[in-house]
Amino acid sequence: GAVVSQHPSWVICKSGTSVKIECRSLDFQATTMFWYRQFPKQSLMLMATSNEGSKATYEQGVEKDKFLINHASLTLSTLTVTSAHPEDSSFYICSARDQGAHSGNTIYFGEGSWLTVV
Amino acid sequence: GESVGLHLPTLSVQEGDNSIINCAYSNSASDYFIWYKQESGKGPQFIIDIRSNMDKRQGQRVTVLLNKTVKHLSLQIAATQPGDSAVYFCAIRGGNQFYFGTGTSLTVIP
Repeated sequence: GAVVSQHPSWVICKSGTSVKIECRSLDFQATTMFWYRQFPKQSLMLMATSNEGSKATYEQGVEKDKFLINHASLTLSTLTVTSAHPEDSSFYICSARDQGAHSGNTIYFGEGSWLTVV
Repeated sequence: GESVGLHLPTLSVQEGDNSIINCAYSNSASDYFIWYKQESGKGPQFIIDIRSNMDKRQGQRVTVLLNKTVKHLSLQIAATQPGDSAVYFCAIRGGNQFYFGTGTSLTVIP
């Protein structure tokens, strides 16, 4: 099946620094990717929709200047957490929509990235 | 808009028994449905999907049933194993949007 890869799987950074998380669709092109945040024992919270070649669409309450999203190619979207603070520590997950002719628009998820800000 | 809800937030089953996880939706125009499994600390994995022109689809030990009349979707896991312990959630496509259920936490008791 289709594979979506995230990197890094986990990262620890100092408060005030920026961290970049990559999301790649490995065997399909994705014009649309999604970024989520998840707290323990809670459901996925959609942060933003990443559109290739255009600006991301952010959900209400998500700071676009803090969570920078870039979708420069059909297989790569990046999420940069700027000036990270301990409250940004979380599990971040991306997903990509396979819009190929035989895919049915199925959404596949990455493995997730654990961010710990100390 | 779309509302997606799960009937049971937690479910405990004995190993070897069958599990049923449910999902309800409200948009009758929904045409594509997916079940995902999310193990602790990992990203969600695609399990099985079904389109609105079908009522039932079977995979390996899993069956998805779709009742469009009552707008209900279920995931059945046969002979549940400890490795099936995870959070399961549905995703439903309405128009160009996908809506996700909050999830049901399945615990398999050895």
